[in-house]
Amino acid sequence: DGGITQSPKYLFRKEGQNVTLSCEQNLNHDAMYWYRQDPGQGLRLIYYSQIVNDFQKGDIAEGYSVSREKKESFPLTVTSAQKNPTAFYLCASSIREYGNQPQHFGDGTRLSIL
Amino acid sequence: GDSVTQMEGPVTLSEEAFLTINCTYTATGYPSLFWYVQYPGEGLQLLLKATKADDKGSNKGFEATYRKETTSFHLEKGSVQVSDSAVYFCALRGTDKLIFGTGTRLQVFP
Repeated sequence: DGGITQSPKYLFRKEGQNVTLSCEQNLNHDAMYWYRQDPGQGLRLIYYSQIVNDFQKGDIAEGYSVSREKKESFPLTVTSAQKNPTAFYLCASSIREYGNQPQHFGDGTRLSIL
Repeated sequence: GDSVTQMEGPVTLSEEAFLTINCTYTATGYPSLFWYVQYPGEGLQLLLKATKADDKGSNKGFEATYRKETTSFHLEKGSVQVSDSAVYFCALRGTDKLIFGTGTRLQVFP
């Protein structure tokens, strides 16, 4: 079955450490997205990519970095510059060209600070 | 800019009660509108969508109608079940990205 796979499901970060969250999709979607979700809040867009080797900052990009070297992969790195990284991170993908196409989501990675 | 406003939760209902979750939006033009559902510890799943004015999206007993005149897309279900307990997000398709509301938690008790 086609879908989006996020790993790991749970991740712990030590102070000053960078960690990378994996997101892989086999839906042949051009666009991919990273969101952050905090308790009781909606989703905030971190980064998005419409095509391989190109990506744009979302609303809260500071302290995060991404790469898009392959169509199916869009890893997110939470750097030590992100001072409050504890959150639930969601990856999504969609067909790029049509505005009525929904985004498909992975099951998320929960990041906590040790 | 474009935005989505949802009613605050939690919404607490007994099983078989009628559900309404309000959603209004601000946008230029006529964007596609979506409802997503999030079960505990999981990602979001598309529940239903509508792409133009007066369209009605429906799925699993849930319905929402795209109302241009009131800029609304309220979610309704005639008889909720305990298994419907989740967080519901209204969203609109802006340029290159989705814009989400803050989510409404629904709790259904037997």
